[in-house]
Amino acid sequence: AQTVTQSQPEMSVQEAETVTLSCTYDTSESDYYLFWYKQPPSRQMILVIRQEAYKQQNATENRFSVNFQKAAKSFSLKISDSQLGDAAMYFCALPVGGGSNYKLTFGKGTLLTVNP
Amino acid sequence: KAGVTQTPRYLIKTRGQQVTLSCSPISGHRSVSWYQQTPGQGLQFLFEYFSETQRNKGNFPGRFSGRQFSNSRSEMNVSTLELGDSALYLCASSLVRNVNTEAFFGQGTRLTVV
Repeated sequence: AQTVTQSQPEMSVQEAETVTLSCTYDTSESDYYLFWYKQPPSRQMILVIRQEAYKQQNATENRFSVNFQKAAKSFSLKISDSQLGDAAMYFCALPVGGGSNYKLTFGKGTLLTVNP
Repeated sequence: KAGVTQTPRYLIKTRGQQVTLSCSPISGHRSVSWYQQTPGQGLQFLFEYFSETQRNKGNFPGRFSGRQFSNSRSEMNVSTLELGDSALYLCASSLVRNVNTEAFFGQGTRLTVV
């Protein structure tokens, strides 16, 4: 079974500083994707960044980047130059299936607070 | 283009009642999934519909059901409501059912059972 674990229920960071959110996962697939979703107080989940498992290069989207360690099954999210608008719940997600059992498996989330 | 729309945004129901939640996906998206979000359990998969057929179902009792219409709009129904059904119910749509495809979420329906 595919599982996703986020071990940090809450994190805080000072504005303009860098923070790293952790995620570990388990999957029996050899080729897969991983996502980080952001859920602000408005509740609407937004995709922040995605990583293809067979790509060795870590994905980057502006101030957001990942540290993907395939052998360790680790997928952490780094937010640089943190802004007040980054405050949200962040979920690591593993999409599974694609045939009859397509779904997203989420971690429990990390609540990020950004202090001015 | 318009995003995923969920209605209503908030609902208060009494134990034993039933409720229907609605989700309109992004135009052209044929896959619609439903998730239950609670502080204790996090995000849990309910079911997924594609081309009006339920393709996958999570580990929820039969009181939870859903359907999808020919225009891809989806509804989920919860019968005989229990206090533990209080949660944020999120709908997500995607163009296809591939693992590399982004799922777009609505703002959810906050259900409170009293």
